[in-house]
Amino acid sequence: SAVISQKPSRDICQRGTSLTIQCQVDSQVTMMFWYRQQPGQSLTLIATANQGSEATYESGFVIDKFPISRPNLTFSTLTVSNMSPEDSSIYLCSVGPLPSGSAETQYFGPGTRLLVL
Amino acid sequence: AQSVAQPEDQVNVAEGNPLTVKCTYSVSGNPYLFWYVQYPNRGLQFLLKYITGDNLVKGSYGFEAEFNKSQTSFHLKKPSALVSDSALYFCAVRDSISNNDMRFGAGTRLTVKP
Repeated sequence: SAVISQKPSRDICQRGTSLTIQCQVDSQVTMMFWYRQQPGQSLTLIATANQGSEATYESGFVIDKFPISRPNLTFSTLTVSNMSPEDSSIYLCSVGPLPSGSAETQYFGPGTRLLVL
Repeated sequence: AQSVAQPEDQVNVAEGNPLTVKCTYSVSGNPYLFWYVQYPNRGLQFLLKYITGDNLVKGSYGFEAEFNKSQTSFHLKKPSALVSDSALYFCAVRDSISNNDMRFGAGTRLTVKP
């Protein structure tokens, strides 16, 4: 499987500020996704990060709140803008398929734990 | 659209006993089914998947899962539980038609007691 890293691993932020989370993969991947895991909850897909074009957002998520970049096939960023305490979650980057893996499997980064005060 | 249900929030078993974590799904096309495990303060680790072929699939750490098309289920099993298996388990599905993103169940917390 690929090595997927996320920065920062955790952060504590003040409401009204913004945080950019980075996701780096050690191999080129077709698809990159951003998920949110609220405390005690399952994973919810925020958006699909498309290389060279605007991200595709799921219902309930908008670009102004969660702008996403994907400048190449190994890197993506998710920004959580104008944060409120409700944004406190784990944010997970996911990738797939991998060059050496099956076409169907997604792999996940370690996550970024965000606490908004 | 695809969806997944994990009917149990919590499963408790004694070490050495068999364990089952339940999952049912709904998709338009053929399902791609997955199990992931999340240990405290860690990301999701891939355990196993069903794409096609044998209904019984074997994965990491001695886990296996059985695909049952008639019952639209994909229950996770292990013959003999270990204390170290205690974690949060997620079932996920992708639709073979769209084959874009995964949808996750709510998760089941497995606790294995010595």
